[in-house]
Amino acid sequence: DIQMTQSPSSLSASIGDRVTFTCRASQSIRTYLNWYQQKPGKDPKLLIYAASSLQSGVPSRFSGSGSGTDFTLTISNLQPEDFADYYCQQSYTPPYTFGQGTKLEIK
Amino acid sequence: QVQLVESGGGVAQPGRSLRLSCVASDFSFGRHPMHWVRQAPGKGLEWVAVISYDGSDNYYADSVKGRFTISRDNSKNTLFLQMNSLTTDDTAVYYCAREEGERQLDYWGQGSLVTVSS
Repeated sequence: DIQMTQSPSSLSASIGDRVTFTCRASQSIRTYLNWYQQKPGKDPKLLIYAASSLQSGVPSRFSGSGSGTDFTLTISNLQPEDFADYYCQQSYTPPYTFGQGTKLEIK
Repeated sequence: QVQLVESGGGVAQPGRSLRLSCVASDFSFGRHPMHWVRQAPGKGLEWVAVISYDGSDNYYADSVKGRFTISRDNSKNTLFLQMNSLTTDDTAVYYCAREEGERQLDYWGQGSLVTVSS
């Protein structure tokens, strides 16, 4: 099975900051990498698919990059509604594993 | 708009069974692979299973293989998860989710809580 490792596990930032999350796969997954945002008590929301494609309706301050084993999610100009948990997921081959998540908190 | 509504969760004793359902609306259900993803209390997301658009193929997480069965009824726009031999580790909110073109999960249900406890 492909293991997905996210870093950091938590991050404190301020409104207006630019933050970057990292996701690493245990083997190449080409660009089969998705990013989700989850707020407490809510279902996950797709942000980025295929490593760098922005899901419809998601603000352009979210961006993704990477291929192979190393991927990043960047949020520029943090807004209050961005403080949440973020998960990466590989969709290259089943089982379609998730990373353990990164909690983004307000500083 | 696209809707996925899970049901069937509840409390079950260890070793017993539960069957979750997920009713889809406002999209061509029979054209999309469908997934189950779960989240234990206070924990991260765990992928559980996927079924192909026509039900001919499926895959499972190692943690549920041999105990859970994913199935679908395209005539009723409904996805199922039959969960047997439940353990306390299966306690979680279970989400159904739609797969789109690059295998991303673009729509999710609200989740159904399964609690396994004696």
